[in-house]
Amino acid sequence: GESVGLHLPTLSVQEGDNSIINCAYSNSASDYFIWYKQESGKGPQFIIDIRSNMDKRQGQRVTVLLNKTVKHLSLQIAATQPGDSAVYFCAESLMDSSYKLIFGSGTRLLVRP
Amino acid sequence: NAGVTQTPKFRVLKTGQSMTLLCAQDMNHEYMYWYRQDPGMGLRLIHYSVGEGTTAKGEVPDGYNVSRLKKQNFLLGLESAAPSQTSVYFCASSLGQTIMNTEAFFGQGTRLTVV
Repeated sequence: GESVGLHLPTLSVQEGDNSIINCAYSNSASDYFIWYKQESGKGPQFIIDIRSNMDKRQGQRVTVLLNKTVKHLSLQIAATQPGDSAVYFCAESLMDSSYKLIFGSGTRLLVRP
Repeated sequence: NAGVTQTPKFRVLKTGQSMTLLCAQDMNHEYMYWYRQDPGMGLRLIHYSVGEGTTAKGEVPDGYNVSRLKKQNFLLGLESAAPSQTSVYFCASSLGQTIMNTEAFFGQGTRLTVV
């Protein structure tokens, strides 16, 4: 079956720098994408979402970019802080079953002080 | 507002034992899900429910059963635990009625070890 995957398993950044976490998806029918943050010992927490009719969406310090041509999704975190250290997952929702999310394998973000 | 609550938080089982994980949500969500998360991997959907009295199989349903007798509760059962079921289990819920309501709210997880 088709699945969502990530390019980098671990990303280390300096505090204050911007972080970019990437995700590749293979199903062109996917209509909705979500980024989740998972801190150690906790459940995933919603960060930001984007629909396939959009290319970019901004939140507080986070931006999600969607490139449907190459089926690529990215999460940008501005001025990365120690509290941003976590595992980040992208998830896609398929049009024929929009309530079911397919998760990628995750990227661990480490913020160096 | 408690959100999604899972019990227990930790459990150790012997191979062949049975147990039930309980998930409760107080957000009046229609959709509920059980995921498992193995080290270094993403979440894989075990079973899900689109409403009270209904359940369906996800990606990895073998060895598990579920029930949704009440809207707020979603139970995950292991009839005969195996070491391969050692994992962290997450329950989630969502409104799910339209695509923009797909955002899932997760519980804190249950760490299960089968020895």
